[in-house]
Amino acid sequence: GENVEQHPSTLSVQEGDSAVIKCTYSDSASNYFPWYKQELGKGPQLIIDIRSNVGEKKDQRIAVTLNKTAKHFSLHITETQPEDSAVYFCATHSGYALNFGKGTSLLVTP
Amino acid sequence: GAGVSQSPSNKVTEKGKDVELRCDPISGHTALYWYRQRLGQGLEFLIYFQGNSAPDKSGLPSDRFSAERTGESVSTLTIQRTQQEDSAVYLCASSHGGNTEAFFGQGTRLTVV
Repeated sequence: GENVEQHPSTLSVQEGDSAVIKCTYSDSASNYFPWYKQELGKGPQLIIDIRSNVGEKKDQRIAVTLNKTAKHFSLHITETQPEDSAVYFCATHSGYALNFGKGTSLLVTP
Repeated sequence: GAGVSQSPSNKVTEKGKDVELRCDPISGHTALYWYRQRLGQGLEFLIYFQGNSAPDKSGLPSDRFSAERTGESVSTLTIQRTQQEDSAVYLCASSHGGNTEAFFGQGTRLTVV
C-alpha cells in the first residue's frame, strides 16, 4: 500500500517567517495531493490541494508544489501568523482512501 | 446538514463493553471514510464506503471492529468488547468520491476505562 512520509514532525517559526513542510510518497498511481490543517479538538480541514497534472498551486499565503518524478510534494506558508499554529497533514489519493502522513505540528511565535 | 456530523462527541465506556459511533455525512456525498487518531498521532484509515460498492475494510484492526452504511446516508462504526488501546478520536469524512475534497466531522473521542 501507499507509504506517506512527512517532515518535519515539529516546526517552530517566528511570525512573518515562512514555513515549509515536505512529504514523500511511494505509489506512482497517486494523483491527488491534499493538505489538511487540524486545530486542537477539531477535525482536519482542507487548506489546499493539487492534482497530478499541475506542478504548483497557490492560494494567498499558501502554496503547494508537486514533483511527480521524485514523488514528493511540499506545503509553503509565507508571512506566517499565530493563527497558522496547528497540525498539518499531507495526504495522497490513489483510487479510494486518502493516505495521510503523520503530521507536522507548526508553532508560530509572535 | 451543513457539514459532517458525528455523535456522540465524547464517549467513556468500560473495558469489555460494546460501543456504537454514528456519522451523518454531507447530503449527496457518495463516499464515506472512517479514520482513527490516537493522541498526538496521524490518521489511521479504517474503512471506506463508496456508493453501493462493497466497502474497503482493509484498515479495520481486528474483527472487533465493524461498520455499516445504509445507501448514501448514515454510517455506524461498532467496536465490540472494547479494550484500552481502542481509546482514540474516531473521525468520519465524506466526499463526492474520487479526487474530491473530503470533509471531516469533529470526531468522537472514545475513552475506554
